[in-house]
Amino acid sequence: AQSVTQLDSQVPVFEEAPVELRCNYSSSVSVYLFWYVQYPNQGLQLLLKYLSGSTLVKGINGFEAEFNKSQTSFHLRKPSVHISDTAEYFCAVSSQGGSEKLVFGKGTKLTVNP
Amino acid sequence: KAGVTQTPRYLIKTRGQQVTLSCSPISGHRSVSWYQQTPGQGLQFLFEYFSETQRNKGNFPGRFSGRQFSNSRSEMNVSTLELGDSALYLCASSLEGSNYGYTFGSGTRLTVV
Repeated sequence: AQSVTQLDSQVPVFEEAPVELRCNYSSSVSVYLFWYVQYPNQGLQLLLKYLSGSTLVKGINGFEAEFNKSQTSFHLRKPSVHISDTAEYFCAVSSQGGSEKLVFGKGTKLTVNP
Repeated sequence: KAGVTQTPRYLIKTRGQQVTLSCSPISGHRSVSWYQQTPGQGLQFLFEYFSETQRNKGNFPGRFSGRQFSNSRSEMNVSTLELGDSALYLCASSLEGSNYGYTFGSGTRLTVV
């Protein structure tokens, strides 16, 4: 079975500052990795995904993430955040060749202050 | 193209009643999954349907059930509602499964009183 740990439940930053949201996973098999974002009163939106290939993945809205197999991590980064990036971010994992159900972390609430 | 549509957006039910939630996936998507989101437990997988067959199931009691129709629309049903069933229920659709990336609906907010 897989599990996902998002190390920070809340991250406050100032506008135009860089941000990193941390995600570690546990799995006995190879995995696919995802980041989703949820704005208030909305569903989740896919930011980016890692299936294979380059370990640096670029997503929408200027976000990127790096897959590190040895450290079982998939941290999300953005070099300069905007007020509109205020939302909750979820890291998720599914197993390759397995049931494909997504297992989510508990989420990180990112608050961008002016 | 139209997104994933969930109806209704809000529901208030009494303990012991049953409820049916509806999800219309993106046209052409054959996989529909349901998640329960609560502040305490986060996002928990309920079940996935693919071409009218339940392909995966989470660890929820039998009071939670679902189905998928030939047009890929899906419904989930919760019988004998309990206070703890109060949650945001999210439906997500995908072409073939989660690895293609889900598109989520806005959810149905269920409150059990």
